Amino acid sequence: DGGITQSPKYLFRKEGQNVTLSCEQNLNHDAMYWYRQDPGQGLRLIYYSQIVNDFQKGDIAEGYSVSREKKESFPLTVTSAQKNPTAFYLCASSAQGRTEAFFGQGTRLTVV
Amino acid sequence: GIQVEQSPPDLILQEGANSTLRCNFSDSVNNLQWFHQNPWGQLINLFYIPSGTKQNGRLSATTVATERYSLLYISSSQTTDSGVYFCAAYSGTYKYIFGTGTRLKVLA
Repeated sequence: DGGITQSPKYLFRKEGQNVTLSCEQNLNHDAMYWYRQDPGQGLRLIYYSQIVNDFQKGDIAEGYSVSREKKESFPLTVTSAQKNPTAFYLCASSAQGRTEAFFGQGTRLTVV
Repeated sequence: GIQVEQSPPDLILQEGANSTLRCNFSDSVNNLQWFHQNPWGQLINLFYIPSGTKQNGRLSATTVATERYSLLYISSSQTTDSGVYFCAAYSGTYKYIFGTGTRLKVLA
């Protein structure tokens, strides 16, 4: 099946630890995105990548890092510098930047 | 950057009623999408509609790019239509910007 897979679905992290969220797509899409959603809120862009080995900061990049070493993979690391990391994280991809975007099922991160 | 506003923020309907959700954007956009977020958080693609009108069953959407708005119509609403509806506008800076959503509750 073609699609976007995020793992894990649920993640618990202790304060002060880094954690990496996985996002893999088999749609052969060039562009990939990471969004954060807080309860009752909309989606805010963290990072985006238009091609392999290139990525750009979104509106709330502080405390996060990404890599794009392979076309199909765009992992997000939530670092200890992120002051309020508990949130729902959504990954998306599109064939090219302006074309239709598709989303994964999301990862719920909780800091304990 | 581009701003995307949705209205109304909350909407309660009786089953069978019709509704219109609105999405305004502050600048010209290359593309616009409508999504439904289900209770488990997944975003379901409804429409990819940079301009014109599209229909899919009881749902239809219209985007008037020159006037910077898009409308989502839901007819004969059902309880399964409940959830949050988002529009997202693609700006020239290579990213989709989301509105804050319309929370719809359909009562049986």
